Amino acid sequence: KQEVTQIPAALSVPEGENLVLNCSFTDSAIYNLQWFRQDPGKGLTSLLLIQSSQREQTSGRLNASLDKSSGRSTLYIAASQPGDSATYLCAVTGNTPLVFGKGTRLSVIA
Amino acid sequence: DARVTQTPRHKVTEMGQEVTMRCQPILGHNTVFWYRQTMMQGLELLAYFRNRAPLDDSGMPKDRFSAEMPDATLATLKIQPSEPRDSAVYFCASGLSPGGRYNEQFFGPGTRLTVL
Repeated sequence: KQEVTQIPAALSVPEGENLVLNCSFTDSAIYNLQWFRQDPGKGLTSLLLIQSSQREQTSGRLNASLDKSSGRSTLYIAASQPGDSATYLCAVTGNTPLVFGKGTRLSVIA
Repeated sequence: DARVTQTPRHKVTEMGQEVTMRCQPILGHNTVFWYRQTMMQGLELLAYFRNRAPLDDSGMPKDRFSAEMPDATLATLKIQPSEPRDSAVYFCASGLSPGGRYNEQFFGPGTRLTVL
């Protein structure tokens, strides 16, 4: 059974800092990995989707990498801003649809 | 601006009452998913459909939960009878999954259910 772990569970950084969020999964037989953002009391916003054949995807200040063989992904956020404060979730798709991690709650302090 | 819509956004009900949640997937998407989010368990997949056919509902308590897609524009999740432990946020998501592979999923805003 696929399990997804995100470390750390919470992170607080000063504005302007670059940061990395980690995601690991137990079964490397995945089709893709998706990073989401969730604001308090809101739904999930898709940030990046990496197909299993890809190594990374970039969108603006966000860069996600995937190392399928080791079961790891990272989300890199450059020059963090207070508006980046949210919970970031990673999820993998294999033979079954999305299996989610518990998320990393990010606070960017002005 | 295509998006998944869910109704109601909030629902407060008493234990034992029936609850029906509705979802309108993005037009053209052929897969629909129901998730439940709680503080303790995080996001859990309850059920999903492809081309309106149920593929898996093993995540749902079968005795009280049911999920259907009466047509391509409507998915429903019903709880009867509801219990306090069903209190959670229920999300619907849709995606386009040709050939059986699951591609990017887009989530609705959720229905926040409170069962007293």
